[in-house]
Amino acid sequence: EVQLLESGGGLVQPGRSLSLSCAASGFTFSDYPMIWVRQAPGKGLEWVSIVSDTGASTHYADSVKGRFTISRDNSKNTLYLQMDSLRAEDTALYYCARSFYGYTYGGFDCWGQGTLVTVSS
Amino acid sequence: QSALTQPPSASGTPGQGVIISCSGGSSNIGKNFLTWYQHLPGTAPKLLIYSNDQRPSGVPDRFSASKSGTSASLAVSGLQSEDEADYYCAAWDSSLNGWVFGGGTKLTVL
Repeated sequence: EVQLLESGGGLVQPGRSLSLSCAASGFTFSDYPMIWVRQAPGKGLEWVSIVSDTGASTHYADSVKGRFTISRDNSKNTLYLQMDSLRAEDTALYYCARSFYGYTYGGFDCWGQGTLVTVSS
Repeated sequence: QSALTQPPSASGTPGQGVIISCSGGSSNIGKNFLTWYQHLPGTAPKLLIYSNDQRPSGVPDRFSASKSGTSASLAVSGLQSEDEADYYCAAWDSSLNGWVFGGGTKLTVL
């Protein structure tokens, strides 16, 4: 069974850092680009970042560029999101997902259940 | 403000059909493939459509989509109560160099 399981969310003060993980199972992780998408309370889905299957290519939403870093360890079948200089507006449920059809073609066909990040003093 | 524009809400009665629109620009919908997602908040989003109009296996053929120029639409026929959810369009934006989602459309089955 294809499965993604996020972890690492929690309550953090503004300006601090947090690292999210997404453990993949049931498929060849290294074959797929992976993304992070978030949903703030009462808001819609917002794309955060994408990483290529090898990890060589990454892109970020303007709202997180320079503060967040996406990475992956294909030997551990795990996707990461390092979040620095967190702001209140980063409060959201963070999802990881697999892109089965390619980096820019999309088709995010498998999603985790999400991990909640709350930025508050 | 989202790069892709969707109506905030849509509704229909059981058995009816409904169309949800998604409007963008030449750098996203006009140039790249569009995808559609169904989402119940707090749960994992579900891929409904990829490559503009292709359904993954397991998605009922009551869901169909089309694209023309810089606009696209998702059609849901034979509405069922379980179709009540938020629907999002998404595409790669070649100018922003990133993915953009629509603001989402809340579908209510009356």
